[in-house]
Amino acid sequence: DAGITQSPRHKVTETGTPVTLRCHQTENHRYMYWYRQDPGHGLRLIHYSYGVKDTDKGEVSDGYSVSRSKTEDFLLTLESATSSQTSVYFCAISDQVKETQYFGPGTRLLVL
Amino acid sequence: QQQVKQSPQSLIVQKGGIPIINCAYENTAFDYFPWYQQFPGKGPALLIAIRPDVSEKKEGRFTISFNKSAKQFSLHIMDSQPGDSATYFCAASRNSGGSNYKLTFGKGTLLTVNP
Repeated sequence: DAGITQSPRHKVTETGTPVTLRCHQTENHRYMYWYRQDPGHGLRLIHYSYGVKDTDKGEVSDGYSVSRSKTEDFLLTLESATSSQTSVYFCAISDQVKETQYFGPGTRLLVL
Repeated sequence: QQQVKQSPQSLIVQKGGIPIINCAYENTAFDYFPWYQQFPGKGPALLIAIRPDVSEKKEGRFTISFNKSAKQFSLHIMDSQPGDSATYFCAASRNSGGSNYKLTFGKGTLLTVNP
């Protein structure tokens, strides 16, 4: 398995609270991605990063922000969580040459 | 607008059968078509991938067939086993500048292989 960890693995929070999910990689890959997975929607890209401090929006970025201050860490923040953000969140990484994206184990988030 | 349409949503076959999962895309700029396999509670993992310069690619019991003119590609699993029971996602990507490849996923197919 690619060296990707996500924390926390499970989280329950209340509407309106801030939440930060962490993705950590040990592969020194340049690109990192955050996806959400929901029944009937497959995997949808939230944000991605193409280097330290370089990020861009995906197709479902509203309500989310990201930061990448080190190559190995990519943080996803829900500034004020809503019930519609209840989902399973996956981090993925890829290097410069190959298109293959390697996925982490996921974080299951429940917003009450 | 869904750029990659996957069917069926679910599929049940008997052990030894050949499940076929189909995907269709709209963007002719797509140039890389991977399939991912996901087991419950795990992240997706790359299974097999193809580029549009070939019409078929085999890796073990898994085969991708690609029809560029129809903008369709499919996954065939030969001699399916209960251990193949998982959710399968097709995806497509294009080089959006530099060497960054963003994937667009289909909605997934839940495959069940009965013993």
